[in-house]
Amino acid sequence: KAGVTQTPRYLIKTRGQQVTLSCSPISGHRSVSWYQQTPGQGLQFLFEYFSETQRNKGNFPGRFSGRQFSNSRSEMNVSTLELGDSALYLCASTSDRAQETQYFGPGTRLLVL
Amino acid sequence: SQKIEQNSEALNIQEGKTATLTCNYTNYSPAYLQWYRQDPGRGPVFLLLIRENEKEKRKERLKVTFDTTLKQSLFHITASQPADSATYLCALWNQGGKLIFGQGTELSVKP
Repeated sequence: KAGVTQTPRYLIKTRGQQVTLSCSPISGHRSVSWYQQTPGQGLQFLFEYFSETQRNKGNFPGRFSGRQFSNSRSEMNVSTLELGDSALYLCASTSDRAQETQYFGPGTRLLVL
Repeated sequence: SQKIEQNSEALNIQEGKTATLTCNYTNYSPAYLQWYRQDPGRGPVFLLLIRENEKEKRKERLKVTFDTTLKQSLFHITASQPADSATYLCALWNQGGKLIFGQGTELSVKP
């Protein structure tokens, strides 16, 4: 099976812009979670979608949003970008509701100037 | 407040030795705990999961222990190799349904 894919891999934006990142989970996986990774804060949970519904949410401002499509592909959007949003954004998919094993994609490296 | 703490300093060991990484947590009662490996510029890769009612789990050269009284997990790599050099992350699943990660410990195995 193909692994989790994320596009784009690298992105440069300026403050105030918005960005949309995409994640395609492993075939058959219905749960997709998004994480932000920075040197200072480590890996932080953004949100999780299961069968097109947001099932869980981390402590991020409303500028961070996501959605999931019927084919389980997911997108996350960050509006009004800030310098502090520069990070590696990772998505992970799991096959079951228990989410015991997360399969991560390679991430999207976002740089906000 | 809830915290997960891993050795903040990098761990440097000689090839062939056993590497031991620590994960401590406070104010959590996790149903299970996981360990991941992350190489630079790549996403984490799942290694092992240990449940709250398990004391120890092994997979090849890897061993994980889980002490819910001490609120601690230890991750061991025996007969370490330079290819084991990476950052190792512990993560626990809280009752809120979120996977919470530690900051990670960078392991460097010298030949």
